[in-house]
Amino acid sequence: RKEVEQDPGPFNVPEGATVAFNCTYSNSASQSFFWYRQDCRKEPKLLMSVYSSGNEDGRFTAQLNRASQYISLLIRDSKLSDSATYLCAVDLTGGGNKLTFGTGTQLKVEL
Amino acid sequence: DADVTQTPRNRITKTGKRIMLECSQTKGHDRMYWYRQDPGLGLRLIYYSFDVKDINKGEISDGYSVSRQAQAKFSLSLESAIPNQTALYFCATSEGGGRETQYFGPGTRLLVL
Repeated sequence: RKEVEQDPGPFNVPEGATVAFNCTYSNSASQSFFWYRQDCRKEPKLLMSVYSSGNEDGRFTAQLNRASQYISLLIRDSKLSDSATYLCAVDLTGGGNKLTFGTGTQLKVEL
Repeated sequence: DADVTQTPRNRITKTGKRIMLECSQTKGHDRMYWYRQDPGLGLRLIYYSFDVKDINKGEISDGYSVSRQAQAKFSLSLESAIPNQTALYFCATSEGGGRETQYFGPGTRLLVL
């Protein structure tokens, strides 16, 4: 089992749809959690941090489920420009040492 | 100007050659990282450094070495390049001290023939 696991997709959704991705992690002691966006062959860019209480930024909502050891990303009212790969990142050490990245979930938003 | 820069952006080399990838940052962060990305395998950590005197191996350090010349500079070397080191390489930085968000450079595309 991978330490940080994501469904690779692709998720093909129509414009305006709501789509959700999950990311499971192996260590219950994990602390920091993040969602990154990566466009084709470009660098990952921070989309949002994931807090215990959940957080929202416009159309994007991130949540943490410690009991089931996963984080989620919800995108509402999808835009064509949301098409990208979404990477989750987790500090599995729980000590702020380094992040382990998932392999990413590809999203394609279509007309 | 970009906060994290990498040079070169693209490189083609031959098997057995030694090459160096460089990373510079103006964010003032103490922590720096080198990753490689391969299709289907995601980002894998090669080396990381928490300060100039602290260098640590990541999950795939074999065949690579690093040098932290200053707080702002972290170089990755391939001592004798081989074709399976063909990949996209990213440098990243983080502030540390509980602030673990990582910021990435634009990447270096390396092709080993």
